[in-house]
Amino acid sequence: KNEVEQSPQNLTAQEGEFITINCSYSVGISALHWLQQHPGGGIVSLFMLSSGKKKHGRLIATINIQEKHSSLHITASHPRDSAVYICAVGSNSNYQLIWGAGTKLIIKP
Amino acid sequence: NAGVTQTPKFRILKIGQSMTLQCTQDMNHNYMYWYRQDPGMGLKLIYYSVGAGITDKGEVPNGYNVSRSTTEDFPLRLELAAPSQTSVYFCASSSEIRNTIYFGEGSWLTVV
Repeated sequence: KNEVEQSPQNLTAQEGEFITINCSYSVGISALHWLQQHPGGGIVSLFMLSSGKKKHGRLIATINIQEKHSSLHITASHPRDSAVYICAVGSNSNYQLIWGAGTKLIIKP
Repeated sequence: NAGVTQTPKFRILKIGQSMTLQCTQDMNHNYMYWYRQDPGMGLKLIYYSVGAGITDKGEVPNGYNVSRSTTEDFPLRLELAAPSQTSVYFCASSSEIRNTIYFGEGSWLTVV
């Protein structure tokens, strides 16, 4: 079983829909990261969370430390949100990040 | 702001050749990482460093070497290139694991 599990693997939605991507982890963490990778490769950090909730524009990220679960929400989704969204956790025990496999999101106009 | 700069962006190597992927960051970050990403797959850690003079192996270090003589630079050396090393390589840095991680634009390497 992977230490970081993302769901769904693939998600196709219509423009304007509310999107939720989930991340569950099984290790003790110091922080959880959400990143976005566009076609063509560039990787951009969206959020770093150690507790609670963060919001940036139409993106909202939440984390529940007790349940070892985080969600990334996109409100009023737009075709430009189409990308791979990746969850990564900073382990308590070493300096490495443990990566989820990513969620490929396609927003259709 | 330059952030994390990787060179070259594209390279074709013949089997058995060697090369160095350069990575430099101007944010005075202690943590630096090299990842590879195969088509349709997630990131795999090759090597990482937590400061100048300190490097350690990640998940897939075989066929690669690194050095960290300065805080800014973290070059990745491929010795005796093999087709299995065809991949996209990303360098990344952060001030510490609880802070934002910054990625370079990626280096597309093909070994033929």
